[in-house]
Amino acid sequence: EAGVTQSPTHLIKTRGQQATLRCSPISGHTSVYWYQQALGLGLQFLLWYDEGEERNRGNFPPRFSGRQFPNYSSELNVNALELEDSALYLCASRPGGVNEQFFGPGTRLTVL
Amino acid sequence: EDQVTQSPEALRLQEGESSSLNCSYTVSGLRGLFWYRQDPGKGPEFLFTLYSAGEEKEKERLKATLTKKESFLHITAPKPEDSATYLCAVQAGYSGAGSYQLTFGKGTKLSVIP
Repeated sequence: EAGVTQSPTHLIKTRGQQATLRCSPISGHTSVYWYQQALGLGLQFLLWYDEGEERNRGNFPPRFSGRQFPNYSSELNVNALELEDSALYLCASRPGGVNEQFFGPGTRLTVL
Repeated sequence: EDQVTQSPEALRLQEGESSSLNCSYTVSGLRGLFWYRQDPGKGPEFLFTLYSAGEEKEKERLKATLTKKESFLHITAPKPEDSATYLCAVQAGYSGAGSYQLTFGKGTKLSVIP
């Protein structure tokens, strides 16, 4: 069974630009979560999508947004990039009725 | 607000030297406590879920235990390949928005020296 996949692996942007990160969940998983892992910090919850709807968001500004497509894949958009947005962005998926989340390899975003 | 504190921040062990990692938590009704392993630059790998005080789970050299306020990850006779950051996370038991969301600790970085 294929795991969660994320693309791109690395992304380099300059301050003020926009970044788009993509995630494909494990087949059959309907929920997708996005987390930010900045250097020295723990995983911080960003967004949760389930059945195409945004269900909850963490304590991040509105320039962090995303969506979930009918095939349950998801996209995270970060507008007006700031230097402190540099981090590993992790996507996790979860099937309905199950508690465990399974993570992808992450996208390393560097903002110069 | 749900909180997770892991200790120590870093731990160096000689190969074969057993030890324990601690995860203390405060949560409004625990749905589950999760342990993950994370290698540098990679995504966390799921290890265990614990649901109630007194529960134990084992996998190879790892054993996770749970009390009402903390969880321990015991590592028996570790090998260099066990070197990684071990993350603890809790999931609150309330329903609605926020359900199934994980709150993570900052992790314990384990180094096992040959």
